[in-house]
Amino acid sequence: AQSVTQLDSHVSVSEGTPVLLRCNYSSSYSPSLFWYVQHPNKGLQLLLKYTSAATLVKGINGFEAEFKKSETSFHLTKPSAHMSDAAEYFCVVSARSNYQLIWGAGTKLIIKP
Amino acid sequence: EPEVTQTPSHQVTQMGQEVILRCVPISNHLYFYWYRQILGQKVEFLVSFYNNEISEKSEIFDDQFSVERPDGSNFTLKIRSTKLEDSAMYFCASSETPDQLDGYTFGSGTRLTVV
Repeated sequence: AQSVTQLDSHVSVSEGTPVLLRCNYSSSYSPSLFWYVQHPNKGLQLLLKYTSAATLVKGINGFEAEFKKSETSFHLTKPSAHMSDAAEYFCVVSARSNYQLIWGAGTKLIIKP
Repeated sequence: EPEVTQTPSHQVTQMGQEVILRCVPISNHLYFYWYRQILGQKVEFLVSFYNNEISEKSEIFDDQFSVERPDGSNFTLKIRSTKLEDSAMYFCASSETPDQLDGYTFGSGTRLTVV
């Protein structure tokens, strides 16, 4: 069975400093992993995805994530936070058996001026 | 950029009433999905739909729920007799392929409040 754990419910960083949002997964199969972002009153937008190609995945808006099989992690990073990055971020694993998306609980990213 | 459109954005309904949540998927997408997020909880899979029939459904998707693609563009979720615990944000999504290699495109959601 697949599961996802987002280790922080809230992360607060100052504008211009690095962002790290942590995600650990559990999967019986080689997983597909995703990060989605939800800005207030907006839909869920795909930031990036890992589907068994390169382990370092680059996404939109300067975000990237590294798939580490030995650590079963897929942490999301950005070198320099922007005020517009304030949103909720979801780590998601795909169940290869039926392609359902299994969601983490979300991490709310707060950017301080 | 193509969008998935959901209407209404908010719906308040009385317990026991029927509601229909509407979605217009991206026009060349063939796979459609409903997910929901109860306030403070994780996003949960409800149902997937392909070729005019349900391909997968979760335990949540019981007999009070149904989905339909009535006219080739809309994709609807009907809740027959709403309960208080149906209050949630409901997200529609669509994709070209079932394996999310390109990810899903989600709509902005419908916030359903059952009173």
